Amino acid sequence: AQTVTQSQPEMSVQEAETVTLSCTYDTSESDYYLFWYKQPPSRQMILVIRQEAYKQQNATENRFSVNFQKAAKSFSLKISDSQLGDAAMYFCAYRSPTGTASKLTFGTGTRLQVTL
Amino acid sequence: GAVVSQHPSWVICKSGTSVKIECRSLDFQATTMFWYRQFPKQSLMLMATSNEGSKATYEQGVEKDKFLINHASLTLSTLTVTSAHPEDSSFYICSARDSRGGQPQHFGDGTRLSIL
Repeated sequence: AQTVTQSQPEMSVQEAETVTLSCTYDTSESDYYLFWYKQPPSRQMILVIRQEAYKQQNATENRFSVNFQKAAKSFSLKISDSQLGDAAMYFCAYRSPTGTASKLTFGTGTRLQVTL
Repeated sequence: GAVVSQHPSWVICKSGTSVKIECRSLDFQATTMFWYRQFPKQSLMLMATSNEGSKATYEQGVEKDKFLINHASLTLSTLTVTSAHPEDSSFYICSARDSRGGQPQHFGDGTRLSIL
């Protein structure tokens, strides 16, 4: 079974600064998807960014980018120019490509605080 | 964009009653929906995978008779918590995959269940 580990329960960043959230995973599959979700106090699950394992290029979405290291099974999220609205829980998630195993496996989450 | 509607958003009921939570895909068909449970300050734990027209697949440790799942149409899955007790109080979130494929799963806004 796949596992996802987020070793940082809480992180803090000053507004306009950059922060990196860590995520590692364990799998025997060669093809899969990785995601970062944001959960603000409203508890909505908001997709931040996704990465296909077969793509070597790191995904970027505006201020959000990932550092995907397939051999190391690492998938960190970098938030640049942090804003107050970025404060939330961030979950890393793994998904197999197809079939009944296509459920999402979530990490334990990292709570991000953004300070003035 | 794709929307998943979850209802109710918050329910309080007495111990021993049954509670039904609905998850609807509003602008796409979903042969597969997922039900998660989230305890305060914890991650999302998959409870079951709901398959249209067939029985749900439950994760290990989840009581099938306690958490009844029905996926009678391509746009609706329901989770019924039967004979609810205070320990069933939690935040329940559904997600749905578009039958046409692609990413990602679309999440509902969740249901906060409080059993007195």
